[in-house]
Amino acid sequence: GAGVSQSPSNKVTEKGKDVELRCDPISGHTALYWYRQSLGQGLEFLIYFQGNSAPDKSGLPSDRFSAERTGGSVSTLTIQRTQQEDSAVYLCASSLGGGAGYNEQFFGPGTRLTVL
Amino acid sequence: SQQGEEDPQALSIQEGENATMNCSYKTSINNLQWYRQNSGRGLVHLILIRSNEREKHSGRLRVTLDTSKKSSSLLITASRAADTASYFCATDVRSGGGADGLTFGKGTHLIIQP
Repeated sequence: GAGVSQSPSNKVTEKGKDVELRCDPISGHTALYWYRQSLGQGLEFLIYFQGNSAPDKSGLPSDRFSAERTGGSVSTLTIQRTQQEDSAVYLCASSLGGGAGYNEQFFGPGTRLTVL
Repeated sequence: SQQGEEDPQALSIQEGENATMNCSYKTSINNLQWYRQNSGRGLVHLILIRSNEREKHSGRLRVTLDTSKKSSSLLITASRAADTASYFCATDVRSGGGADGLTFGKGTHLIIQP
């Protein structure tokens, strides 16, 4: 497939457990973004990668959240000790270049996370 | 914090009519984008308008940008049932060359009645 893919599509976990979400961007896209969409907060920017480095981590809601990207491709978003307020749809996007405003972002279908 | 705010929050019109959605933002931007989200699906980019542009067209879509009022509008002409979706404006923020994520509004939910 040519689009951004994310896995799993749905994840149900118990409070306190760790979860790992995966994003596979479009081949050749150097920029990768994670967002979170929840009913109360709308769409929130979490983190941005240019290649393997993350120059902007300002959106991560707490130190329980971390993300990495290896080989300039796949990225994982890890949430440790999940809380109920972490329940949301986590969206990944990629674009040809960096600079959020200059490039169209292509979004994946998202991972719906439910923390019980 | 919310940069873009769309209005109305919800809009219901008859098929064939035009739909207009508005977006206001707070800080200076490099450009503004509109995205569509169908129920249960990811976001799809519709159009990008740069800060030095005032109007842009793409098919049945027309976007305007007024940087003096910090506002944008999205017009969908001759609406179709398939246009039913949530529409979001998204802005970057001038941050001295840093690359940031987009800041989205809460969206306008558009319903096209057949």
